[in-house]
Amino acid sequence: NAGVTQTPKFQVLKTGQSMTLQCAQDMNHEYMSWYRQDPGMGLRLIHYSVGAGITDQGEVPNGYNVSRSTTEDFPLRLLSAAPSQTSVYFCASSYLTGHRETQYFGPGTRLLVL
Amino acid sequence: GESVGLHLPTLSVQEGDNSIINCAYSNSASDYFIWYKQESGKGPQFIIDIRSNMDKRQGQRVTVLLNKTVKHLSLQIAATQPGDSAVYFCAENGAAGNKLTFGGGTRVLVKP
Repeated sequence: NAGVTQTPKFQVLKTGQSMTLQCAQDMNHEYMSWYRQDPGMGLRLIHYSVGAGITDQGEVPNGYNVSRSTTEDFPLRLLSAAPSQTSVYFCASSYLTGHRETQYFGPGTRLLVL
Repeated sequence: GESVGLHLPTLSVQEGDNSIINCAYSNSASDYFIWYKQESGKGPQFIIDIRSNMDKRQGQRVTVLLNKTVKHLSLQIAATQPGDSAVYFCAENGAAGNKLTFGGGTRVLVKP
């Protein structure tokens, strides 16, 4: 059971380039989400998904796209990278029940946009 | 908007002493709270949670207290160890779906 995995661990992009951050979980969790963490700050929600084929925006969605074609995978796409997107990105997942469920986080992807 | 925040950005504690990390939240409808520990270069790691129908919950060396009257949450770490050095975040799981709202974090430094 690998939990939540993210690739790559590090990435450097030039302004305007595009890339996809990968996230996968093997716990059969319905709920998956993407957060960004800027220096000295807490995490902010970018996008989330409550199941395959269903996605929605979080607090800071601009500049990012997501899709959820399978339960296991939830990729985050940067269409045209900007320096303001330099951050550490975390993917998380959890069960969805009638109650609040604990979210488990991946190790993160550090992104630098020049 | 609604927010979850922390009072102290940095806490220095002597090894073996108890640590107390505080958190204030503003959404009175919040019904689930989580404390996460984040070590350098790693993702947040679940420590303990508490639902709004409880005032206190204990884990291994950790206790979370919830005061709904003043919308305050605290994490107590007993006999703090060097391995407890990290940034601690409180998070609120709000009424809409399973979305987390994080506070800004408190860094705990354990002195030998």
